[in-house]
Amino acid sequence: DAKTTQPPSMDCAEGRAANLPCNHSTISGNEYVYWYRQIHSQGPQYIIHGLKNNETNEMASLIITEDRKSSTLILPHATLRDTAVYYCIASSLTSGTYKYIFGTGTRLKVLA
Amino acid sequence: AAGVIQSPRHLIKEKRETATLKCYPIPRHDTVYWYQQGPGQDPQFLISFYEKMQSDKGSIPDRFSAQQFSDYHSELNMSSLELGDSALYFCASSPRTGDEKLFFGSGTQLSVL
Repeated sequence: DAKTTQPPSMDCAEGRAANLPCNHSTISGNEYVYWYRQIHSQGPQYIIHGLKNNETNEMASLIITEDRKSSTLILPHATLRDTAVYYCIASSLTSGTYKYIFGTGTRLKVLA
Repeated sequence: AAGVIQSPRHLIKEKRETATLKCYPIPRHDTVYWYQQGPGQDPQFLISFYEKMQSDKGSIPDRFSAQQFSDYHSELNMSSLELGDSALYFCASSPRTGDEKLFFGSGTQLSVL
């Protein structure tokens, strides 16, 4: 599974867009990019995932570069409740299941 | 909507004791993952099961074992507990839809004294 690299921390003003980058330069063709977040000590929460195309759902947008070596998670209007650790994971099907290896993540702090 | 249920929520054990953590996946989810998260650490993958068979193994100590039962619930058995085993243990389940998303439980906080 490809290793992902994220900045350790970021701040964002409430109401502004939060753009969280992720580098996955060794990603293989069948690996999806997944984003999860963990608020305090709760169980990680799925946000969004994609393979090649940009994706959008009610929580966020995912922009994947054409060469797939990096991606950006966009929270369009960050709120204080979006303060969390955000994890970018590259995952593919292995032995019947996907393998999700959490890296160090980005600690996002949304400021009032 | 039903979520992943983990029990117990909190567990306190002494060194060298054993502990059993339980996980009940979302109905119709046949895949279960276990993660360990130490204080200030990121979740570490331990083991996963698909259709009651072990499918992948991570950094799970030999003192730990796990299985998935016929009703798809899973148990993580931990023996000869050490102080370093104190952590949050998360279970996650997923359906087999081809692009699996993980749904996590609230975790079991294990404290080894």
